[in-house]
Amino acid sequence: DGGITQSPKYLFRKEGQNVTLSCEQNLNHDAMYWYRQDPGQGLRLIYYSQIVNDFQKGDIAEGYSVSREKKESFPLTVTSAQKNPTAFYLCASSIALPREQYFGPGTRLTVT
Amino acid sequence: ELKVEQNPLFLSMQEGKNYTIYCNYSTTSDRLYWYRQDPGKSLESLFVLLSNGAVKQEGRLMASLDTKARLSTLHITAAVHDLSATYFCAVDSNSGNTPLVFGKGTRLSVIA
Repeated sequence: DGGITQSPKYLFRKEGQNVTLSCEQNLNHDAMYWYRQDPGQGLRLIYYSQIVNDFQKGDIAEGYSVSREKKESFPLTVTSAQKNPTAFYLCASSIALPREQYFGPGTRLTVT
Repeated sequence: ELKVEQNPLFLSMQEGKNYTIYCNYSTTSDRLYWYRQDPGKSLESLFVLLSNGAVKQEGRLMASLDTKARLSTLHITAAVHDLSATYFCAVDSNSGNTPLVFGKGTRLSVIA
């Protein structure tokens, strides 16, 4: 089955630790995205990538980093510089940049 | 810069009633997407509207696109509790090199 997987589903970390969220897709999509969603709020774009080895900052990139070494993978690292990292993180992919996005199941990160 | 505005942001409606959610956008576009998000879950695709006058229907939901008015509507007919969710519209900026722009979402609650 084609789709997007995110792991883990729930993640708990202590303040000051970096943490990496996994996102993998087998849809053969070129573009991938990371969003953050806070309770009761909309989506905010963190980073996106159009092709392998290239990515751009979104609206709230500070305190986050990404890599795109393989077409199917787009991991997100939440660094200790991110002041309020507790949130629901959604990964998405699309065949090309401005086309329909398909979303993964999300990772709920809690930092205490 | 493309801006997308949804209204209302919150909607409480009785079962059996009809209502419309509006998605306005600020620059020319002929591609618009509607997504549904259940509480605690990810986004799933509802409708893809790719041209002026496009209309799609699925069950009690019908979406339409008027590119001249820069407006899409999501019409709910005879609401049932299962339709309670948050609905997002997303617009293609037509630039070819920027991601979809999402509205803030409309949180719909259908009550008996």
